[in-house]
Amino acid sequence: GEDVEQSLFLSVREGDSSVINCTYTDSSSTYLYWYKQEPGAGLQLLTYIFSNMDMKQDQRLTVLLNKKDKHLSLRIADTQTGDSAIYFCAEKGQAGTALIFGKGTTLSVSS
Amino acid sequence: KAGVTQTPRYLIKTRGQQVTLSCSPISGHRSVSWYQQTPGQGLQFLFEYFSETQRNKGNFPGRFSGRQFSNSRSEMNVSTLELGDSALYLCASSLGTGGNVNTEAFFGQGTRLTVV
Repeated sequence: GEDVEQSLFLSVREGDSSVINCTYTDSSSTYLYWYKQEPGAGLQLLTYIFSNMDMKQDQRLTVLLNKKDKHLSLRIADTQTGDSAIYFCAEKGQAGTALIFGKGTTLSVSS
Repeated sequence: KAGVTQTPRYLIKTRGQQVTLSCSPISGHRSVSWYQQTPGQGLQFLFEYFSETQRNKGNFPGRFSGRQFSNSRSEMNVSTLELGDSALYLCASSLGTGGNVNTEAFFGQGTRLTVV
């Protein structure tokens, strides 16, 4: 079956790098996504990676994909207090466009 | 370009009642998906509509239903509400071509449903 796992909490200091990890089980996943959710808000698409890529960089965000280990990570460089939020990893499952989400990682950034 | 609009933002209903939530997708997007978010279960896929047809359905009871109109706007309905239906209901809009094409999903702000 399809399942996505994430660690629940991450605490970093402002200016440090944050690394949020995710593992998934569906080896046929074609796209993997990172979403951000701030309190009281919906989900904001941050970035995505196609399954034939190893890495994607977008400004402060770097996504690494290890397809062999089914491991995905999101690195946020120079983390700011405004980055405090819940980060969700999601895979596009076998069925159409349905997304399978992890439970989310709460990132807390202290100044 | 306007984003995904969900109405209402907040709703309080009594057990046994029914509720209808609305979602207007981004202009040009033909796929609308619905998700339920709860603290215990996280984000769970309810169903997806594309060109007025339900294309995909998650593992929810028949009390949860939806439809899509010719202008791609979608509604979801929950009948005979239970306390456990209290959740944030999120709608996602995408081009919806599916398959191996990247169809980025853009989410609305959600409707917070509280069942008392």
